[in-house]
Amino acid sequence: AQTVTQSQPEMSVQEAETVTLSCTYDTSESNYYLFWYKQPPSRQMILVIRQEAYKQQNATENRFSVNFQKAAKSFSLKISDSQLGDTAMYFCAFMKQRSYNTDKLIFGTGTRLQVFP
Amino acid sequence: DSGVTQTPKHLITATGQRVTLRCSPRSGDLSVYWYQQSLDQGLQFLIQYYNGEERAKGNILERFSAQQFPDLHSELNLSSLELGDSALYFCASSVEIMGTGELFFGEGSRLTVL
Repeated sequence: AQTVTQSQPEMSVQEAETVTLSCTYDTSESNYYLFWYKQPPSRQMILVIRQEAYKQQNATENRFSVNFQKAAKSFSLKISDSQLGDTAMYFCAFMKQRSYNTDKLIFGTGTRLQVFP
Repeated sequence: DSGVTQTPKHLITATGQRVTLRCSPRSGDLSVYWYQQSLDQGLQFLIQYYNGEERAKGNILERFSAQQFPDLHSELNLSSLELGDSALYFCASSVEIMGTGELFFGEGSRLTVL
């Protein structure tokens, strides 16, 4: 069974600074997706960034980037130039990819990020 | 706006009662997932449907059941409610079939059991 571990329950960062959220996962699969979702106080689940396991290049979306280490089964999220609106719960998630379709998302327990002015 | 619609947004009921949560997936999405998020916890997978058929089951209680209808909307039925069932229930949909792997989430239905 796949598991996702987020070892940092809470983190804080000052506005404009950089912060890195950690995530490790366990799987025997070779084809899968990894995601970071953001859940602000509104509780809406918002996709931040997505990485296909077969791609060696780390995904980047504006101020958000990942450090994907497949051998180490590590998938960290770096937020650069942190903004107050980045304050949220961040969930790392794993999805197994089957031949012609995908599978359920498995979530970590989340990291609560507070951005201070 | 993800395109996934969930109703009701909020629901307050008493122990022992039964409620139905409804989800309309994004247009064209055949797969629907239900997740439960208890207070300040991660999302727990409950059940997945694909084009009307149950595809996968997670830690869903026997008191809970779901179905996906021919028009692809889905309902999650929760019965004999207990205080511990109070949670945010999310529905998500995806394209599947060589899709991007991304799930699109609704805004959730917040259930409070008193």
